[in-house]
Amino acid sequence: GAVVSQHPSRVICKSGTSVKIECRSLDFQATTMFWYRQFPKQSLMLMATSNEGSKATYEQGVEKDKFLINHASLTLSTLTVTSAHPEDSSFYICSAKGRQYSTDTQYFGPGTRLTVL
Amino acid sequence: AQKVTQAQTEISVVEKEDVTLDCVYETRDTTYYLFWYKQPPSGELVFLIRRNSFDEQNEISGRYSWNFQKSTSSFNFTITASQVVDSAVYFCALSEAFKGSSNTGKLIFGQGTTLQVKP
Repeated sequence: GAVVSQHPSRVICKSGTSVKIECRSLDFQATTMFWYRQFPKQSLMLMATSNEGSKATYEQGVEKDKFLINHASLTLSTLTVTSAHPEDSSFYICSAKGRQYSTDTQYFGPGTRLTVL
Repeated sequence: AQKVTQAQTEISVVEKEDVTLDCVYETRDTTYYLFWYKQPPSGELVFLIRRNSFDEQNEISGRYSWNFQKSTSSFNFTITASQVVDSAVYFCALSEAFKGSSNTGKLIFGQGTTLQVKP
């Protein structure tokens, strides 16, 4: 149980294009989803928190217009990196927590490795 | 402010050795949760354990055991008889207890400890 998927697992794009990453909770309803960014050999940095049906709450220093988050349903959240640049290259990981399982435990997706050329 | 410190950046052991990963946390909350996650080379974070602040019982799960000491604000993780498959980055994390709509219970991660188990 508590399975979270992410798609795509890997994406390479040209500078200036937008990339959308999907995060799905497969066997539970995710009341809250989180988006993290991880640079090589570093810890996870929380980018934003989203509750179903409401606007995402961004962490300090994270550009809202750059990283668009939509949490339209209880099983799906998307992160769109707009006008991506090489410095946006990173490992993006989502997590979710919800009703069927513990509301206090975040379950993580497998991550998406973004490379911007 | 909440903070998690994993002082050990990298640990290398030989298979079958026991190894303890340290985690020290800071929080002003009276109710909180502590977690351990494993991140193998594939990148996915695997949930290992959650501990409530009011439950200081140690826990054992197979070769894994956890020692929660509220008096020293520590939540250490021991792997007994380590195996090559245990090689990964291990993260300790802290969150305030979920209180409904008033907070999200976001996680504060430590810097991670890279464990290498050699055959």
